[in-house]
This record gives sequence, C-alpha cells and structure tokens, in this order.
Amino acid sequence: DIVMTQTPLSSPVTLGQPATISCRSSQSLVHSDGNTYLSWLQQRPGQPPRLLIQKISNRFSGVPDRFSGSGAGTDFTLKISRVEAEDVGVYYCMQGTQFPLTFGQGTKVEIK
Amino acid sequence: EVQLLESGGGLVQPGGSLRLSCAASGFTFSNYAMSWVRQAPGKGLEWVSTIGGNAGYTAYADSVKGRFTISRDNSKSTLFLQMNSLRAEDTAVYYCAQYLRSHDYWGQGTLVTVSS
Repeated sequence: DIVMTQTPLSSPVTLGQPATISCRSSQSLVHSDGNTYLSWLQQRPGQPPRLLIQKISNRFSGVPDRFSGSGAGTDFTLKISRVEAEDVGVYYCMQGTQFPLTFGQGTKVEIK
Repeated sequence: EVQLLESGGGLVQPGGSLRLSCAASGFTFSNYAMSWVRQAPGKGLEWVSTIGGNAGYTAYADSVKGRFTISRDNSKSTLFLQMNSLRAEDTAVYYCAQYLRSHDYWGQGTLVTVSS
C-alpha cells in the first residue's frame, strides 16, 4: 500500500500570510498512463470534504486561485498564498494512482 | 449541479448489518466510478470501496473486504454499500463520492454507529 505522509499536522497561520503543506508518498505516484493522481481536499469544520486540486496542480471548478499545488514523483505541496478566515479546516492529500486509495493524516490549518 | 445524498445510517449492534444508499443527480451516473469513504469520529478520511461506472470492477479496503459489498443501480442513479458483520471500529460517517482518480464531488454523509 502507498503511505501518504503530511507535514506539518498543524499549521497556525496569520490572516493574509501564506501557508504550505507537504505530502510525501512512499512510492512514485506516476501512473502507467503518464499522469500523477495526487489530489488535495479541504474539510471545513462540520462539512464534508471538498476537492481543491487534482493531478498535482489542477484547481477544481470554483476553487480560488490563492490555492496552488506543485510537486512530482513522491513529493507534493499545497500552498495557500494568503490565508483567509474561510480557509480554516483540515487539508488532506490523496493518491488515486493505485488501489487501495490512501489519504494523508490531514493538516489542520487554524488562525493564529 | 451534482448532488449526492446518502441515507441508511443508524445505530446497529455489533455483528449486525446495514445497507447504505447514495442517490445521485446532476450528472450521467453510469459514466462515473463511485466510492465510499468513511471518517471515524475525530479522525481522518479512510477509503472504503470503489465501483466502476458499469460495475465492471470493484475494490475494497482490507479492513472491510469480505464484510462489505459495493453495488450500483444505474437505472436509478443509486450507489449502495451492504455492510455485514459490523464491528465497533466501523463506527463513522460514511460519504459517497464521485471518483475519477480523485474524489470530485461528495455527499453530506450518513452516520453509522456500531454499539450494543
């Protein structure tokens, strides 16, 4: 199974400042079709998860451009350029390259 | 607008069974694989199972293999999860999600509590 490891697990951030979350996979997420199926999800308190980014860096419909994803192979990053109050929640990376699908432990973003 | 609405959760005794449903609308259901993902109270997300658009494949987490069965009725745009031999550790909110190598849309979830 592919293990997804996120750092940090908690990220206190000042409003308007950037936040960065890292996600490392235990093996390459490059699929045989050439794509890398690494996605990022946001879960606000009391809400279901919401897709932010798919295939490393593609923002999903309606996602603000302050969210960006990058990386390759086994190392990936989600960046929020300027944190807003509505960004509070837990962020998860997920690999869709092979079954079993696996998630990172989650990173809690809170306002300082 | 894509909508996913789960139902069927509730309180069940250890060893019991429950069948979850997920009614989908706003997209051509048969064109998409669908997943169940669960979240135990205060914990992270755990993938449970995925089924192909035409039910041509299914996949399960080891933790539920042999106890849970995923299925779908494309004529009714509905996804199911039959859960047997339930254990306390199956207690969680169960979400259905549209799957295309990422989970693009999610329902609100249904709570399953396994307790005597």
